[in-house]
Amino acid sequence: GNSVTQMEGPVTLSEEAFLTINCTYTATGYPSLFWYVQYPGEGLQLLLKATKADDKGSNKGFEATYRKETTSFHLEKGSVQVSDSAVYFCALSDGAGGTSYGKLTFGQGTILTVHP
Amino acid sequence: EAGVAQSPRYKIIEKRQSVAFWCNPISGHATLYWYQQILGQGPKLLIQFQNNGVVDDSQLPKDRFSAERLKGVDSTLKIQPAKLEDSAVYLCASSSSTGQGSTDTQYFGPGTRLTVL
Repeated sequence: GNSVTQMEGPVTLSEEAFLTINCTYTATGYPSLFWYVQYPGEGLQLLLKATKADDKGSNKGFEATYRKETTSFHLEKGSVQVSDSAVYFCALSDGAGGTSYGKLTFGQGTILTVHP
Repeated sequence: EAGVAQSPRYKIIEKRQSVAFWCNPISGHATLYWYQQILGQGPKLLIQFQNNGVVDDSQLPKDRFSAERLKGVDSTLKIQPAKLEDSAVYLCASSSSTGQGSTDTQYFGPGTRLTVL
């Protein structure tokens, strides 16, 4: 079955540091890949997504590239801010051509704390 | 546009009691999902509806959990009787997906935090 593995957390950075959160997946076919973010006290929000190999998703300065050869979808940001402190979840769905109705399989989440 | 609404936000019950959660999806969204998020883990799908029909309940513990989506809009998730291991956040999500192979964005509600003592 499908699975998602995220880097062990938590991650603590200083403001303006470079961020990488690793995500690898196991799936058959051509899954769609997502990053969701959960800010303190709020619900999950879609941060970015990519639906086919070599696609780059981007939003709010965050980027992730769908690498089918390495089955990875690492999240990056060049300069983090205190307001980026949150929990980040990598997820996948079967994607176009799959048999599910968009069911998401999530990684375990990575807690990011950014200090001033 | 109003988001996904859930209630209650918090619930504390004793083990063996019953509890129900309510979800109102974004207007017009055909697909509704219930996820369980145990502390320190990612959300796990419990059940998925397409309009008022169930399309995936393979991860739902059917001996104690039940869910319905009457009229294809609101949904309720019930646990009876609750166990200690049911302590978790229960998330409802909806999307405009209308078929298999969907890549549509899922929009999540704020969740209901359940504590079973």
